[in-house]
Amino acid sequence: DAGITQSPRHKVTETGTPVTLRCHQTENHRYMYWYRQDPGHGLRLIHYSYGVKDTDKGEVSDGYSVSRSKTEDFLLTLESATSSQTSVYFCAIRGDGSTNYGYTFGSGTRLTVV
Amino acid sequence: AQSVTQLDSQVPVFEEAPVELRCNYSSSVSVYLFWYVQYPNQGLQLLLKYLSGSTLVESINGFEAEFNKSQTSFHLRKPSVHISDTAEYFCAVSGWGAQKLVFGQGTRLTINP
Repeated sequence: DAGITQSPRHKVTETGTPVTLRCHQTENHRYMYWYRQDPGHGLRLIHYSYGVKDTDKGEVSDGYSVSRSKTEDFLLTLESATSSQTSVYFCAIRGDGSTNYGYTFGSGTRLTVV
Repeated sequence: AQSVTQLDSQVPVFEEAPVELRCNYSSSVSVYLFWYVQYPNQGLQLLLKYLSGSTLVESINGFEAEFNKSQTSFHLRKPSVHISDTAEYFCAVSGWGAQKLVFGQGTRLTINP
């Protein structure tokens, strides 16, 4: 989607290896989010950020860490990937204006841990 | 904290028939409500949202949803569906002042010819 890009789009990795997913925005929004999507669970929040170096946990944060050193970039790291982390990962940004309040999602990263 | 329940995991309908996808939410504060659509192998697109004002909100492709505070619902409706509406639909809620968006489990809408 315009203003937000995720990389890579697809990745296959082995159990136990570290993996980093990147989310980049050009909207200068304060809030950024990482969700995972799994069948029957909808989207569940992993971590979010409310500013540079300001982050907090979501409902499924175990096994994940994040970093935000610049407004435009939000990184999600799987320190030691497990098969249960096979999923589709979505990044989102939030606009806070009175008319543009809402969440915009990236195209997703499909991660397979073998 | 907020939570969302989408009452149907799958909804099959015939083309040109009406459809309603049900969504109920729970929140101790006022809310913003959203419907997102995900077409096969694609990301999430905002379909419509309720922030304030009129409780009936509409999308450009014929969907509408009504915010019902007393019933804590935000059901999505379309009077006549098309094959191209085949997708998964997600209801989501964010509380006023909250920092997060909470999703329901999704409803897969299948249109049969």
